[in-house]
Amino acid sequence: GQNIDQPTEMTATEGAIVQINCTYQTSGFNGLFWYQQHAGEAPTFLSYNVLDGLEEKGRFSSFLSRSKGYSYLLLKELQMKDSASYLCAVRDRRRDDKIIFGKGTRLHILP
Amino acid sequence: GAGVSQSPRYKVAKRGQDVALRCDPISGHVSLFWYQQALGQGPEFLTYFQNEAQLDKSGLPSDRFFAERPEGSVSTLKIQRTQQEDSAVYLCASSSGTSGGDTQYFGPGTRLTVL
Repeated sequence: GQNIDQPTEMTATEGAIVQINCTYQTSGFNGLFWYQQHAGEAPTFLSYNVLDGLEEKGRFSSFLSRSKGYSYLLLKELQMKDSASYLCAVRDRRRDDKIIFGKGTRLHILP
Repeated sequence: GAGVSQSPRYKVAKRGQDVALRCDPISGHVSLFWYQQALGQGPEFLTYFQNEAQLDKSGLPSDRFFAERPEGSVSTLKIQRTQQEDSAVYLCASSSGTSGGDTQYFGPGTRLTVL
């Protein structure tokens, strides 16, 4: 089966940095996505990693280590609008390349 | 043009009723996906279309669930004889290519409540 683990909730302060971790278990790994989802809204694409290393995109960065089955999403200079759920999702070759989502991490930003 | 749209945004059904949920993907997008998202959970795959062909329906939870995309654009997810456990947000997503790595663009979802 597919195990994707990420913390259920996190809290951080406006202006700070937060790192949201995601671990996964599959022998068919074929890429990892991060999506942002505000309450009651659609998930929106943040990043896609298929090779090891860090991908930086503005205030957001995503890291992948395939050997460790580990990724993190790093958010810098936090803003109140960053309060949302962050979904880690893995593309699984063993499941016809379907994207399997984790349960998401609800991030609360405090002023 | 515009992003993925879904209608209705909210639907309340009595147990046993049939419902139909509509998805308008981004124009020209070949791939279309349906997901079910329960409260506090991530989206779970239901079914996948490439143009009008339903290539994967392995995630549909029962034979009460049926999806179609007859002309390769708009898609409808139909749930027959709704049950309380069907209450969830139903998300539609589309992508331009046929690779699983292509970015999927999600619609706002339809929140279904079965009483």
